[in-house]
Amino acid sequence: GIQVEQSPPDLILQEGANSTLRCNFSDSVNNLQWFHQNPWGQLINLFYIPSGTKQNGRLSATTVATERYSLLYISSSQTTDSGVYFCAGTIQGAQKLVFGQGTRLTINP
Amino acid sequence: KAGVTQTPRYLIKTRGQQVTLSCSPISGHRSVSWYQQTPGQGLQFLFEYFSETQRNKGNFPGRFSGRQFSNSRSEMNVSTLELGDSALYLCASSWSSATNEKLFFGSGTQLSVL
Repeated sequence: GIQVEQSPPDLILQEGANSTLRCNFSDSVNNLQWFHQNPWGQLINLFYIPSGTKQNGRLSATTVATERYSLLYISSSQTTDSGVYFCAGTIQGAQKLVFGQGTRLTINP
Repeated sequence: KAGVTQTPRYLIKTRGQQVTLSCSPISGHRSVSWYQQTPGQGLQFLFEYFSETQRNKGNFPGRFSGRQFSNSRSEMNVSTLELGDSALYLCASSWSSATNEKLFFGSGTQLSVL
């Protein structure tokens, strides 16, 4: 079946550090999105990035759909960046988003 | 502009009961999709509604159903609850598609089945 792999599964960093989260798909991906789930369960959309690179403040994302991966960069981490980061996309024209298992990021003060 | 609103926030039911969850999308959004999140299975797509019609459905049993009203508000219903239905149920809205547009999620309904 469709595989969405996120790495690393867990990441613990000190405040101020930079990080790179990766999302790999088993097939060509469309409509890739990145989300941040905060400790209260709210999923916040960070990027809708089917291809190319986007930046929003300390966060940026790059998707290379033909090579079936996307990267999320977080610079100068803050404790509020803690939570679980999910990528999701559609594969082979399927009309549903498939989510990865997430990367749990913990930023310590 | 108000975000996606889900009610109730928490719900406790017993096996065999049924439950109805509600979702009000962002004003102007016509697509509403539902997802189940569990520690074991992660986030899984349940179904999508657009203009009061179910457009897509995930791999869930028929006990899971939903509907959308003319004002785009949506409800999902789970009948004959099982212990495995305990999960966070998330609703998302977008202008017209649950796949090729940015999705906006509500805070979810945490369902516990005892």
